[in-house]
Amino acid sequence: DGGITQSPKYLFRKEGQNVTLSCEQNLNHDAMYWYRQDPGQGLRLIYYSQIVNDFQKGDIAEGYSVSREKKESFPLTVTSAQKNPTAFYLCASSPGSWTEAFFGQGTRLTVV
Amino acid sequence: AQKVTQAQTEISVVEKEDVTLDCVYETRDTTYYLFWYKQPPSGELVFLIRRNSFDEQNEISGRYSWNFQKSTSSFNFTITASQVVDSAVYFCALSEAVGSSNTGKLIFGQGTTLQVKP
Repeated sequence: DGGITQSPKYLFRKEGQNVTLSCEQNLNHDAMYWYRQDPGQGLRLIYYSQIVNDFQKGDIAEGYSVSREKKESFPLTVTSAQKNPTAFYLCASSPGSWTEAFFGQGTRLTVV
Repeated sequence: AQKVTQAQTEISVVEKEDVTLDCVYETRDTTYYLFWYKQPPSGELVFLIRRNSFDEQNEISGRYSWNFQKSTSSFNFTITASQVVDSAVYFCALSEAVGSSNTGKLIFGQGTTLQVKP
């Protein structure tokens, strides 16, 4: 089945550790996105990529890094510089501009 | 600046009631798209509808309907005869444009939590 796969679903890490969230899509979409969701808030854009080997910062990129070496994959690293990393992270992809985005099931990251 | 406001934080209704979720947006672009997504407890966002700024026709899909009014910058969502399975968080979103191009980025409202009681 085509779709977006995020793994793991739940992730626990100690404060100060870097952690990488996986996002894979088999929809052949050019664009991919990472959003962060905090309780009672909408989604905020962390990073996005419109083409392989290229990506741009979103509204809250500080403390995060990404790579886009393959069209299918867009991993997000939450670094120790991110002051408040505990959140729900959603990955999305879209075939291009002006189209709807398709979302993965999310990764809930808890830093203790 | 572009912005989406969903003033209703939580709504609770009894099954079979009709319910309207409000969405007001701000943008200076003449070309833009509006979206509604549903987020069930599982967490994944499910796409419901996309509407472009040049099409003000209302749309109906089963029990769902959408009212787009450019004059009031609103894109409201109505569920008719609500069901328990409609319980979820609903997000309204606006596509971001830079000049005549579009980045594909979405600007989300804060979401409305709908609880439908049996």
